[in-house]
Amino acid sequence: NAGVTQTPKFQVLKTGQSMTLQCAQDMNHEYMSWYRQDPGMGLRLIHYSVGAGITDQGEVPNGYNVSRSTTEDFPLRLLSAAPSQTSVYFCASGGLPVEKLFFGSGTQLSVL
Amino acid sequence: AQTVTQSQPEMSVQEAETVTLSCTYDTSENNYYLFWYKQPPSRQMILVIRQEAYKQQNATENRFSVNFQKAAKSFSLKISDSQLGDTAMYFCAFRLNDMRFGAGTRLTVKP
Repeated sequence: NAGVTQTPKFQVLKTGQSMTLQCAQDMNHEYMSWYRQDPGMGLRLIHYSVGAGITDQGEVPNGYNVSRSTTEDFPLRLLSAAPSQTSVYFCASGGLPVEKLFFGSGTQLSVL
Repeated sequence: AQTVTQSQPEMSVQEAETVTLSCTYDTSENNYYLFWYKQPPSRQMILVIRQEAYKQQNATENRFSVNFQKAAKSFSLKISDSQLGDTAMYFCAFRLNDMRFGAGTRLTVKP
């Protein structure tokens, strides 16, 4: 079972560059979300979606865009990377109502 | 917005002893879910235990149990007979429409 697949696992960007973090799940989950993890701050919610075509902001949405064109995919876009976006990013999915989240393995992003 | 607070950044316990991790949350809602997740050095997020707010009985999973105090908005995790493999970051989480996490507690189990 693939579960939640995140790519890439590691990425280094220069300030101002753009990139997309990919997230795909094969469990037909309606709920998908993106978190960033920084030391001492736990996991902070960036954006989430409760179904195709529906997205909403979390705690720290600035600098990030998302879309949900299919149930399976929920990409996270950084339009102009900044050093403050250096972090570990996790994608997670779950059924509705969410009783449990399934997490991807994370993406370590460094912005120089 | 709902907030989750873990007031213990780091804790340690001797192998085979019991340790309790604290978590408080803030919400005006009545129906919600609470979770404890474990994150070992591998970075994998592992569900430890969950509690439905409408259930008065505290959840238990083997060596892990919770003390859920709804009126006090408190949700602590007790780990009994601690094992070296319990060494990890532990995150408390609250779910209503989305899921919010606390800042985490780094637990070290000493031999």
